[in-house]
Amino acid sequence: DAGVIQSPRHEVTEMGQEVTLRCKPISGHDYLFWYRQTMMRGLELLIYFNNNVPIDDSGMPEDRFSAKMPNASFSTLKIQPSEPRDSAVYFCASSPLQVAKNIQYFGAGTRLSVL
Amino acid sequence: AQTVTQSQPEMSVQEAETVTLSCTYDTSENNYYLFWYKQPPSRQMILVIRQEAYKQQNATENRFSVNFQKAAKSFSLKISDSQLGDTAMYFCAFMNQAGTALIFGKGTTLSVSS
Repeated sequence: DAGVIQSPRHEVTEMGQEVTLRCKPISGHDYLFWYRQTMMRGLELLIYFNNNVPIDDSGMPEDRFSAKMPNASFSTLKIQPSEPRDSAVYFCASSPLQVAKNIQYFGAGTRLSVL
Repeated sequence: AQTVTQSQPEMSVQEAETVTLSCTYDTSENNYYLFWYKQPPSRQMILVIRQEAYKQQNATENRFSVNFQKAAKSFSLKISDSQLGDTAMYFCAFMNQAGTALIFGKGTTLSVSS
């Protein structure tokens, strides 16, 4: 399996623009997580899905952030409009329900820079 | 709410030596999972080792082992025979029994020198 695939690897945009980050989880995994990593706050959970349904979005910073999972093999994290303080590395991770219990497998992350 | 604390922002070690990274956590749960993840300069988060709280035996994975002290809520990582490739940031993480989100510590940057 190719692992969790995130795109793009790097994104540079200007303040006010819409940004869409993409994630393809490992096939057969039931859970998908979005995390954000910053120097100040470390790694924080933004939202997670179970079988394509959002379960907990309490970590989403504000209404400018939205996430969707239209099917089992694809998820997006959208920021509209983007702000400089959104600059961070965004990770997607997936996890199987039963096999290898509770281990989360991470993608390589998307480094977002908002100018 | 659960918290994870890594009190060593940076550590350094010579090749072939042993180093121990500290982690403490706070929870009121009895069953849970603990993890150490490695993040090298490539940015990829890599699982190093995993411990289930109901297992008293400390987990080991080749040169990596943990010292799990449940009563003290301590979960340290020992790296034996350190290698240059071990240079990375190491994150301790907690997961509750429901098995959903990971709660991470702030990380320890480990530098291995020759």
